Amino acid sequence: ETGVTQSPTHLIKTRGQQVTLRCSSQSGHNTVSWYQQALGQGPQFIFQYYREEENGRGNFPPRFSGLQFPNYSSELNVNALELDDSALYLCASSLRWTYEQYFGPGTRLTVT
Amino acid sequence: DQQVKQNSPSLSVQEGRISILNCDYTNSMFDYFLWYKKYPAEGPTFLISISSIKDKNEDGRFTVFLNKSAKHLSLHIVPSQPGDSAVYFCAAYPSTGANSKLTFGKGITLSVRP
Repeated sequence: ETGVTQSPTHLIKTRGQQVTLRCSSQSGHNTVSWYQQALGQGPQFIFQYYREEENGRGNFPPRFSGLQFPNYSSELNVNALELDDSALYLCASSLRWTYEQYFGPGTRLTVT
Repeated sequence: DQQVKQNSPSLSVQEGRISILNCDYTNSMFDYFLWYKKYPAEGPTFLISISSIKDKNEDGRFTVFLNKSAKHLSLHIVPSQPGDSAVYFCAAYPSTGANSKLTFGKGITLSVRP
């Protein structure tokens, strides 16, 4: 069984740029959620995808967007990067209608 | 507004003793709770969960207690081991179910001294 993987591991971007982060779900999982974890904070829910459609969104602006592909992998896109976007971005996969989410190791984004 | 609160940022215990990690919540719509453990440079790992219809759930050395009237839950680790040293997050789902938003606390850093 393959776990959740994310790429890249680390990324440095400049304010105003755009970034794409990638996630591969655990084998058999059909739902992907994205979280932002700022330093000293818990993960904050960004949005969830199921059957390639957004299925719930947290308190994040529209410049945070995502995609889910037919193989259940997913991308998180952030446009017009701001300094406050610097954080660890976590992807989690799960089976629809189950509570446990399984997290990847995260992508550390630094915006300068 | 922090709906899941882990008010103690850190806890240090001796190996072999009990670790008790506390979590409070303010949203009465929460009815399913999970604990995650996180090591540096890794993603959170699911540890144990509890539904609001129960007041206790046990899995090996880990037990979670839920006091719904007090909106309080706790994770007990007995006996504590040095490998338990990590950040522990409490998280909660609302009654709308597993496809809803999962809300996390800020985490507690547990250090188990050999």
